[in-house]
Amino acid sequence: AQTVTQSQPEMSVQEAETVTLSCTYDTSESDYYLFWYKQPPSRQMILVIRQEAYKQQNATENRFSVNFQKAAKSFSLKISDSQLGDAAMYFCAYRSARTGTASKLTFGTGTRLQVTL
Amino acid sequence: DGGITQSPKYLFRKEGQNVTLSCEQNLNHDAMYWYRQDPGQGLRLIYYSQIVNDFQKGDIAEGYSVSREKKESFPLTVTSAQKNPTAFYLCASSIVRTGFNIQYFGAGTRLSVL
Repeated sequence: AQTVTQSQPEMSVQEAETVTLSCTYDTSESDYYLFWYKQPPSRQMILVIRQEAYKQQNATENRFSVNFQKAAKSFSLKISDSQLGDAAMYFCAYRSARTGTASKLTFGTGTRLQVTL
Repeated sequence: DGGITQSPKYLFRKEGQNVTLSCEQNLNHDAMYWYRQDPGQGLRLIYYSQIVNDFQKGDIAEGYSVSREKKESFPLTVTSAQKNPTAFYLCASSIVRTGFNIQYFGAGTRLSVL
């Protein structure tokens, strides 16, 4: 079974600074998808960024980028120019690309990000 | 507006009572999911369904039941067999084909025991 580990329960960053959230996962599969979701105080889960394991290029979405290290099974999220609205819980998630499997997500336990002035 | 609607936002359960959480989507997605969120444990999959009239157990299905009679609807019943039902429940939906199959989430239901 796949597992996802987020070893930082809480992180803090000053506004306009850069922060990196860590995520590691364990799998024996070679093709899979990785996601970062954001859960603000409203508790609505919002997709931040996604990465396919077969693509070596790191995904980027505006101020959000990932550092995907397939051999190390690491998928960290970098937030640049942090804003107050970035304060939230961030969850890393894994999905197998194996044919016949449902699109089930395995989530990490989350990292709570605080943004200070 | 396309999206996923969960109701009610807050729900209270009495001892020995079954309660049902509603989840409706108008995204024309084939697959729907129910997750439970507890503090410090992330999201755990309860049940999922890829097609009408079919569903599978997730990692923590005991004490829960679901039905999928319509593509748009996937209600979750928390039965009296679930001894610790207090949690935040999230419903999600996605397409089912090759690719990311991104899951979109509802706003959640907070269930508490009286």
